[in-house]
Amino acid sequence: GENVEQHPSTLSVQEGDSAVIKCTYSDSASNYFPWYKQELGKRPQLIIDIRSNVGEKKDQRIAVTLNKTAKHFSLHITETQPEDSAVYFCAARKDSWGKLQFGAGTQVVVTP
Amino acid sequence: EAQVTQNPRYLITVTGKKLTVTCSQNMNHEYMSWYRQDPGLGLRQIYYSMNVEVTDKGDVPEGYKVSRKEKRNFPLILESPSPNQTSLYFCASSTDRRVFFGQGTRLTVV
Repeated sequence: GENVEQHPSTLSVQEGDSAVIKCTYSDSASNYFPWYKQELGKRPQLIIDIRSNVGEKKDQRIAVTLNKTAKHFSLHITETQPEDSAVYFCAARKDSWGKLQFGAGTQVVVTP
Repeated sequence: EAQVTQNPRYLITVTGKKLTVTCSQNMNHEYMSWYRQDPGLGLRQIYYSMNVEVTDKGDVPEGYKVSRKEKRNFPLILESPSPNQTSLYFCASSTDRRVFFGQGTRLTVV
């Protein structure tokens, strides 16, 4: 089955700097890659997603890039703010109704 | 408001005492699932259901049961809980594009 690896497990950045989280997946048939943000004590919330027919997608300060050949995708957060502090999960799925396979998560801490 | 509701939010129980965590969604979604979240392991799928009376195992089904008698409800049953089932549990309801999570149930088995 699909295996998703996520790095780093923790990431500390200064406010205003950029943060990058990287994920690799094993199943070349995977075609949908969402990113979730989980604030302390809350449920995961979808922040951005990308499908395999697109190489990059941007939404304000966040962007996701996908390299299908290398089977990796990344989340980029620019101009980080304290409210960006959370755990971020990447995930991969290979068909419309298939299981989402999650990475282990990255704890992002933005220090003022 | 579109939502997934699970109860209880917190539960402390003893080893071997059967318990049920309820999950309900109001979005008429066919696909529902249960995940457990443990530090360093991310979210792992326990069971999923494609529709009423259709359920299947996820990655970590041992020690759990589910049922899907109605489209909106998908309860998680622990027949004989053990301490290694202490975890944070999320119910989820999905479209082909997006997963909606419940608020989570923090379960402690002593």
